[in-house]
Amino acid sequence: DVKVTQSSRYLVKRTGEKVFLECVQDMDHENMFWYRQDPGLGLRLIYFSYDVKMKEKGDIPEGYSVSREKKERFSLILESASTNQTSMYLCASSPTTSGGADTQYFGPGTRLTVL
Amino acid sequence: GENVEQHPSTLSVQEGDSAVIKCTYSDSASNYFPWYKQELGKRPQLIIDIRSNVGEKKDQRIAVTLNKTAKHFSLHITETQPEDSAVYFCAASSTGGNNRLAFGKGNQVVVIP
Repeated sequence: DVKVTQSSRYLVKRTGEKVFLECVQDMDHENMFWYRQDPGLGLRLIYFSYDVKMKEKGDIPEGYSVSREKKERFSLILESASTNQTSMYLCASSPTTSGGADTQYFGPGTRLTVL
Repeated sequence: GENVEQHPSTLSVQEGDSAVIKCTYSDSASNYFPWYKQELGKRPQLIIDIRSNVGEKKDQRIAVTLNKTAKHFSLHITETQPEDSAVYFCAASSTGGNNRLAFGKGNQVVVIP
């Protein structure tokens, strides 16, 4: 059974702080993703990674960076948190298959509040 | 890139009736179409998916149909139950070999007992 975990369920930070969100998957998946979820806007892709040390920008990368030093771990970094980054952050992972894109498995989410 | 739209945004149905949610996509090269269910306070979970070489797939009360010509796919839930109340997201694979999915904005389904 695929398990994707995130370091915190709830996080409260102050404007200007550096914030780290961590995601770990235990299924040896090549691909990992960070989304933010806001009411009425669905799931918007921030960054993704298809291999260790590889990363690609998603649709809303501004204000974020990522790190993937090990295959099972994908970190999202907010260099200087701002109030408009208050949101639910979801991590996901998926295998690489010959058929192309495959099922993404989601973590439980981190609700980040920036004051 | 791929653009996915879902309609309607909110759907209310009487318990026992059927619910249908439709999604349209823009990229004719997309070949994978999953549906996710997200209950309140929980993570999105895959409920059914379909690949472009298949027109329909069923799993108990849930089915997905795909019309490649018209570039739309639909989720059908029969004999709805209160536990079907949730937000449902459709997605379509993005081309380019990067394993991305483009998600719709979600449909809130409310099953009225």
